Amino acid sequence: AQTVTQSQPEMSVQEAETVTLSCTYDTSESDYYLFWYKQPPSRQMILVIRQEAYKQQNATENRFSVNFQKAAKSFSLKISDSQLGDAAMYFCAYRSRGSQGNLIFGKGTKLSVKP
Amino acid sequence: GAVVSQHPSRVICKSGTSVKIECRSLDFQATTMFWYRQFPKQSLMLMATSNEGSKATYEQGVEKDKFLINHASLTLSTLTVTSAHPEDSSFYICSARDPGQLLTLNTEAFFGQGTRLTVV
Repeated sequence: AQTVTQSQPEMSVQEAETVTLSCTYDTSESDYYLFWYKQPPSRQMILVIRQEAYKQQNATENRFSVNFQKAAKSFSLKISDSQLGDAAMYFCAYRSRGSQGNLIFGKGTKLSVKP
Repeated sequence: GAVVSQHPSRVICKSGTSVKIECRSLDFQATTMFWYRQFPKQSLMLMATSNEGSKATYEQGVEKDKFLINHASLTLSTLTVTSAHPEDSSFYICSARDPGQLLTLNTEAFFGQGTRLTVV
């Protein structure tokens, strides 16, 4: 069975600075997808960024980028130029390519942004 | 992106009663929907996979007789919490994937707004 581990329950960053959230996963599969979701106080899950395992190039979405290390099974999220609106819970998630679409989530990291 | 609407957003019910939560895909047909449960300050745990026109597949440890799932159409799945007890109080979230989208969007799961259930 696949597992996702987020070892940082809480993180804090100064506004305009950069922060990196860690995520590791365990799987015996070679083809899968990885995601970072943001859950603000409203509890709505918002997709931040996705990565296909077969792609070596790290995904980037504006201020958000990932460091995908397939061999190490590591998938960290870097947030640049942090903004107050980035404060939220961040969940790392895994999906098997052959699955119907269900996600396996890590326990989450609560990110605080200091003005 | 695709829109998934979940209703109600909050519900309070008395112990012993049943509560129905609806999950609708508004602009796409979802042959498969997923129901998650999130305890306070914890992660989302998959409860069951809902398949249109067939029985839901429940994760280990989830009581299928307590959490009834119906997926009667391609745009609607419902979760009914039967004979609710205070320990059923939680945040329930549905999600769906649009298999008709281009490959890149096809990988994404769209989430409803969630339902906070409080059983008193």
